[in-house]
Amino acid sequence: GEDVEQSLFLSVREGDSSVINCTYTDSSSTYLYWYKQEPGAGLQLLTYIFSNMDMKQDQRLTVLLNKKDKHLSLRIADTQTGDSAIYFCAESIRGATNKLIFGTGTLLAVQP
Amino acid sequence: ETGVTQTPRHLVMGMTNKKSLKCEQHLGHNAMYWYKQSAKKPLELMFVYNFKEQTENNSVPSRFSPECPNSSHLFLHLHTLQPEDSALYLCASSQSWGGQGNQPQHFGDGTRLSIL
Repeated sequence: GEDVEQSLFLSVREGDSSVINCTYTDSSSTYLYWYKQEPGAGLQLLTYIFSNMDMKQDQRLTVLLNKKDKHLSLRIADTQTGDSAIYFCAESIRGATNKLIFGTGTLLAVQP
Repeated sequence: ETGVTQTPRHLVMGMTNKKSLKCEQHLGHNAMYWYKQSAKKPLELMFVYNFKEQTENNSVPSRFSPECPNSSHLFLHLHTLQPEDSALYLCASSQSWGGQGNQPQHFGDGTRLSIL
């Protein structure tokens, strides 16, 4: 079946690195995504990685993919208070429709 | 500014009312989506349109009726809703998929719907 799991909450101090983890079950995933949702807003696409890659870096964001363990992580370097939000992991399923399966989201709280 | 605009941002309606949610995208995409976001539940895909044709209906009750007149506009018509339909309704758009593989979806800010 298709399932994506994330821990519910992460608290870090400003300036530290944050690591948000995600596990998924469908081995036919093609792309894996990270979205950010701030209060009262929709989902903002942060970054994504193709399933044949191990790592992708984009400024302060580093995505690591362990396909064998079906584990995805998002590292945010030098975390700022503006990074406080809910972060969603999502996998896209190979098939006829551009379908995304989302996790329940991780609330990142950045302490000043 | 995400390029996907949803109106209204907030909507309160009674169970017997009829209302519509609107989504417009300015990204040149050909696929559009409706999602439902409820508290403590994963985002639920409701409908998918590709080049104005519906390609997915995720067992959504008939009191939700989508309409996609062109690739830039998507509507969700609501009638005789239930209290459990209160949620944030998100619209997204993407390039069409297929030979190009899966495509990233870009979301609007959503309509917060409350059913009295």
